Amino acid sequence: NAGVTQTPKFRVLKTGQSMTLLCAQDMNHEYMYWYRQDPGMGLRLIHYSVGEGTTAKGEVPDGYNVSRLKKQNFLLGLESAAPSQTSVYFCASSLLRTVLDSFGNTIYFGEGSWLTVV
Amino acid sequence: AQSVTQLDSHVSVSEGTPVLLRCNYSSSYSPSLFWYVQHPNKGLQLLLKYTSAATLVKGINGFEAEFKKSETSFHLTKPSAHMSDAAEYFCVVSDRHGGSQGNLIFGKGTKLSVKP
Repeated sequence: NAGVTQTPKFRVLKTGQSMTLLCAQDMNHEYMYWYRQDPGMGLRLIHYSVGEGTTAKGEVPDGYNVSRLKKQNFLLGLESAAPSQTSVYFCASSLLRTVLDSFGNTIYFGEGSWLTVV
Repeated sequence: AQSVTQLDSHVSVSEGTPVLLRCNYSSSYSPSLFWYVQHPNKGLQLLLKYTSAATLVKGINGFEAEFKKSETSFHLTKPSAHMSDAAEYFCVVSDRHGGSQGNLIFGKGTKLSVKP
């Protein structure tokens, strides 16, 4: 059982380049999330999705776009990368917002994607 | 509005001594509270969670936390630190009535160092 898988794990971009981070989950979860983690800031929610075909803004959405064309995939796009977007990005998924699943976890995280913008 | 404050950015203990990582929360509704651990260059792993059942919650690796509504606290403790406990710990609050910004609000993290 793969859980939540993020690709790529590491990437270096030049300012102004675009890229897409892919998140895939094989648990049939409705909710998916993209967070960024910066030193001393904890994790901050960028965008999230409550189901296939839906997306919503989180706490820090500027400079990012997302798409959820398939239930199992949640893509995070950077149209024109900036050094301020250097961060570690985490994808997560959960069955429902408030219902605990049978494994005792409300939310599963991927292992992170390290992005550096130079 | 929900918020969570981790009172220490860095805690250092000696192996075999107790661990205390402090967390205070603010929530308009009955919150769910979590502690996650992140080892270097790894993802987040759930340690334990409180969801309005018993106020003393036991988690993995010998950690436990006590929900104190009167103090709005959810401190994480362990009787005896192990070298493998060195990691960053995040206190997280979730408003079970839902919210417009997704499910979880993260604290800024507490880095735990364990000295031999």
